[in-house]
Amino acid sequence: GAGVSQSPSNKVTEKGKDVELRCDPISGHTALYWYRQSLGQGLEFLIYFQGNSAPDKSGLPSDRFSAERTGGSVSTLTIQRTQQEDSAVYLCASARAGSTDTQYFGPGTRLTVL
Amino acid sequence: AQSVAQPEDQVNVAEGNPLTVKCTYSVSGNPYLFWYVQYPNRGLQFLLKYITGDNLVKGSYGFEAEFNKSQTSFHLKKPSALVSDSALYFCAVSAYNQGGKLIFGQGTELSVKP
Repeated sequence: GAGVSQSPSNKVTEKGKDVELRCDPISGHTALYWYRQSLGQGLEFLIYFQGNSAPDKSGLPSDRFSAERTGGSVSTLTIQRTQQEDSAVYLCASARAGSTDTQYFGPGTRLTVL
Repeated sequence: AQSVAQPEDQVNVAEGNPLTVKCTYSVSGNPYLFWYVQYPNRGLQFLLKYITGDNLVKGSYGFEAEFNKSQTSFHLKKPSALVSDSALYFCAVSAYNQGGKLIFGQGTELSVKP
């Protein structure tokens, strides 16, 4: 079946611009996660959605970062006023439901802030 | 706070020899442990996980891992390495009250030479 998809695969933007990254989870998966992979920080958790519950935003690095999940499916991660330190690969993962379920990752969006 | 350590940045193995990629963790309560592999310019692929039960877990591509509670370790092993196993390997931990959000180690680069 179809896996997790992310778009765009690459995004180059200028410092100060806003960007939106999209994630389409596996159909039927109620849990959705965003992670960031960068050379300096490794792989770090950003935000987690589970069904209709309030998202766990504990990993968002600043208030310039936000995310939403519409209709329990597609999610958008928005970064406002991008900075060079935001350059990274942003990975989305989905899981069937609970904390013991395997997370399946998308291919990622490589963000470069000039 | 949860944490994962992968003490080796790089592991070099000759093809046909056994391989071990080390992982130790720190978590409150019972851990949920995962191994993922990342090939160049690709997302993370799930290899195996330990949730409960038998300490020896078998996963994809002939990999296995042993959960050792006393040593808080979850080392990844394979009896006979292939050149195609060369990739970046990540160990991750979660806990029952964390909603499934994963804390990753810094990754270990595995290089298998013919």
